Amino acid sequence: DVKVTQSSRYLVKRTGEKVFLECVQDMDHENMFWYRQDPGLGLRLIYFSYDVKMKEKGDIPEGYSVSREKKERFSLILESASTNQTSMYLCASTLFWAENTGELFFGEGSRLTVL
Amino acid sequence: GQSLEQPSEVTAVEGAIVQINCTYQTSGFYGLSWYQQHDGGAPTFLSYNALDGLEETGRFSSFLSRSDSYGYLLLQELQMKDSASYFCAVREGEYGNKLVFGAGTILRVKS
Repeated sequence: DVKVTQSSRYLVKRTGEKVFLECVQDMDHENMFWYRQDPGLGLRLIYFSYDVKMKEKGDIPEGYSVSREKKERFSLILESASTNQTSMYLCASTLFWAENTGELFFGEGSRLTVL
Repeated sequence: GQSLEQPSEVTAVEGAIVQINCTYQTSGFYGLSWYQQHDGGAPTFLSYNALDGLEETGRFSSFLSRSDSYGYLLLQELQMKDSASYFCAVREGEYGNKLVFGAGTILRVKS
């Protein structure tokens, strides 16, 4: 079974803190994604990566950065957390698209509260 | 930019058939996926359509019309456990390596 593991299920941080959300997948997937999920807004794409050290902005990258130093690990960084970044963060991975059925594998999510 | 539209809520009774529609506007469309998410859980993959037509997987079917920028998820013989949120998602972008989700449809199944 594919496993996507997010390091923290629940985090509480203060405004201005630097926050790291870690995601690791064990299936040698090329593509990894970070989404945030808010009620009524669905899943919004923050950043994605299609290879080591490669990254592309999604639809809402402002206030976030990412790091992919190893194929299995994709980190989301909030340089200076703000209250409007309180949300559920979901990491996902998938195979190289040419071999793909369109299936993303999601982690269990990290619920971040910024006070 | 891109946009996906799907109904915010649908209610149906056990045993019935329900259809959840999704219309989209994107650049570089590659395919349409559907995901299910139960409260407190992670989204799980249901289906993917890259070509026009109907794909069937058990009680669930998914349809795509590329010319109409439209798709739907059909759930048959509804069960209480089907109560969940359902998301359509388009694979798009210059190289088709981006997956963008709609806002989701809450399906409530009543007995």
